[in-house]
Amino acid sequence: GQQVMQIPQYQHVQEGEDFTTYCNSSTTLSNIQWYKQRPGGHPVFLIQLVKSGEVKKQKRLTFQFGEAKKNSSLHITATQTTDVGTYFCAGRSTGNQFYFGTGTSLTVIP
Amino acid sequence: NAGVTQTPKFRILKIGQSMTLQCAQDMNHNYMYWYRQDPGMGLKLIYYSVGAGITDKGEVPNGYNVSRSTTEDFPLRLELAAPSQTSVYFCASTQHGTGSTYEQYFGPGTRLTVT
Repeated sequence: GQQVMQIPQYQHVQEGEDFTTYCNSSTTLSNIQWYKQRPGGHPVFLIQLVKSGEVKKQKRLTFQFGEAKKNSSLHITATQTTDVGTYFCAGRSTGNQFYFGTGTSLTVIP
Repeated sequence: NAGVTQTPKFRILKIGQSMTLQCAQDMNHNYMYWYRQDPGMGLKLIYYSVGAGITDKGEVPNGYNVSRSTTEDFPLRLELAAPSQTSVYFCASTQHGTGSTYEQYFGPGTRLTVT
């Protein structure tokens, strides 16, 4: 079946450092989404990427979709303590299911 | 709008008991999903529905059943609970259609322990 892998599993950074998480799919994706889950909370939608090579920015967050539409990344510039949480990618190839990655847990040290 | 609501928030079940997790959304979304999240893991799809009266299996459907009699409600039934079903259960909804972002709106979750 379809698999979506995400690395790293954990990342500790000093406040102000950058952070990147990577998502890789075993199959070509039609679209990919990114979610953030705060500790004890529920996933919250951040963005969706659809086009090959697409890059989208949200303030300090930059999202990329690979040319082959099999990988994606989320980069946070100058992390803040409010960025703490787990970041998940979720990819869809065909059909109605999104397959979630295992997530990257980000800890920001003040 | 309340968004996606789930009840109960917490539940402890004994092995072999049954229960229904409730999920409701007031956004008139056509698609609804049930996920489970084990500690330190991502979300696994249990069942989903593309509209009232239509349901389909996800990655991990064994031990669960669903129904979708209305657009708003999508209950998840656990029969003969087992320790392996200890998890946090999230319900989500989205609107599929032309121009949709397919953003999934998640409920607050139900934390279930089976002992």
